[in-house]
Amino acid sequence: DQQVKQNSPSLSVQEGRISILNCDYTNSMFDYFLWYKKYPAEGPTFLISISSIKDKNEDGRFTVFLNKSAKHLSLHIVPSQPGDSAVYFCAAPNAGNMLTFGGGTRLMVKP
Amino acid sequence: DTGVSQDPRHKITKRGQNVTFRCDPISEHNRLYWYRQTLGQGPEFLTYFQNEAQLEKSRLLSDRFSAERPKGSFSTLEIQRTEQGDSAMYLCASSSEIIGGAKLEQYFGPGTRLTVT
Repeated sequence: DQQVKQNSPSLSVQEGRISILNCDYTNSMFDYFLWYKKYPAEGPTFLISISSIKDKNEDGRFTVFLNKSAKHLSLHIVPSQPGDSAVYFCAAPNAGNMLTFGGGTRLMVKP
Repeated sequence: DTGVSQDPRHKITKRGQNVTFRCDPISEHNRLYWYRQTLGQGPEFLTYFQNEAQLEKSRLLSDRFSAERPKGSFSTLEIQRTEQGDSAMYLCASSSEIIGGAKLEQYFGPGTRLTVT
């Protein structure tokens, strides 16, 4: 049972435009969500997080939106840059802070 | 802050051999986690430690997998009698202890890529 799903395996965006990466979850007990970015041959790097008491969190070019009723979150990157090209994972911790990850979305930003 | 380090970065072994991976967490972090990532998938949780105590190990994939953190600092993950299906990236992460219920992000190492031939 996949509790965290990223239904788009890949996304291609033009440099300077907005990238929107989506994530759905099924476990209503999740109350905190994180986004990680991963380059090839490297470990995941923490990007941004959001608590369920908020519906938006912004950090520079990155904004995460949370829709609890829909069990959906999204990561917006504006403006997108070629260096943003990577695989993006959403994740949620359980009570013991063990992370459940989605399958990832490969973002390609074209110059 | 030198970050989380893992050794080796790559390991090629023959089926049936035992392998051991090492993880050195960020020095002030007392929580250490192991994950496995296969191609096209997100990382999958295996086990974690708080200091030297292994608090969750039911997600280890089989009894061939074991992990230790003897002095609450570095950790090792051992796979005995490796199988081709064990080929994957093994990731280690660390974090501070959760305070007041606040979730704290985990910092990942570069991973050890295991290939079983």
